[in-house]
Amino acid sequence: DTEVTQTPKHLVMGMTNKKSLKCEQHMGHRAMYWYKQKAKKPPELMFVYSYEKLSINESVPSRFSPECPNSSLLNLHLHALQPEDSALYLCASSQGPDSYNQAFFGQGTRLTVV
Amino acid sequence: QKEVEQNSGPLSVPEGAIASLNCTYSDRGSQSFFWYRQYSGKSPELIMSIYSNGDKEDGRFTAQLNKASQYVSLLIRDSQPSDSATYLCAVNPGNAGNMLTFGGGTRLMVKP
Repeated sequence: DTEVTQTPKHLVMGMTNKKSLKCEQHMGHRAMYWYKQKAKKPPELMFVYSYEKLSINESVPSRFSPECPNSSLLNLHLHALQPEDSALYLCASSQGPDSYNQAFFGQGTRLTVV
Repeated sequence: QKEVEQNSGPLSVPEGAIASLNCTYSDRGSQSFFWYRQYSGKSPELIMSIYSNGDKEDGRFTAQLNKASQYVSLLIRDSQPSDSATYLCAVNPGNAGNMLTFGGGTRLMVKP
């Protein structure tokens, strides 16, 4: 079982809204990731959580705020986004944080900022 | 700037042929390499991983790695129309945790 579940699948939000994206895995993986993918571009790493602690922040604007409440859950809180933040947001997980671990992606949340 | 380069395609092959997808990377210290398949509007799906020089086979897929040439490839034998997708090469530098850098992807079209 390599399932990573993301909710919601689609989200439309205004620039003044606050919303959250959720990600869940029950594979016992100890590393979880947020990636952003714009249309016809490859995924770009945003955040890495390792053993529930933020280990990497790829210079992401503060309007994106990650949270890892426990080893199975990862949230991405959104506030005051811009239309250019519209993208597919992908959550991934891997067994551990080192580079040999395979990363498995969820189905993504397609976000539109209006 | 660590880069991963792929020909964007489209690469068009007839059904039953071998599709050959190529990827080069700039960071000589890279240690792990992955191929993902992404259908339009869907998320990336891991299909192969390779860590040492040589070939690795899994069903119709063969990944090839040459670290000296900083080159990784994916061969798909007996290509099927259902293989039509964008194939993403992903490289992990190995010195800062699991931080995948993706190439731009190659769009493969398998024609019946």
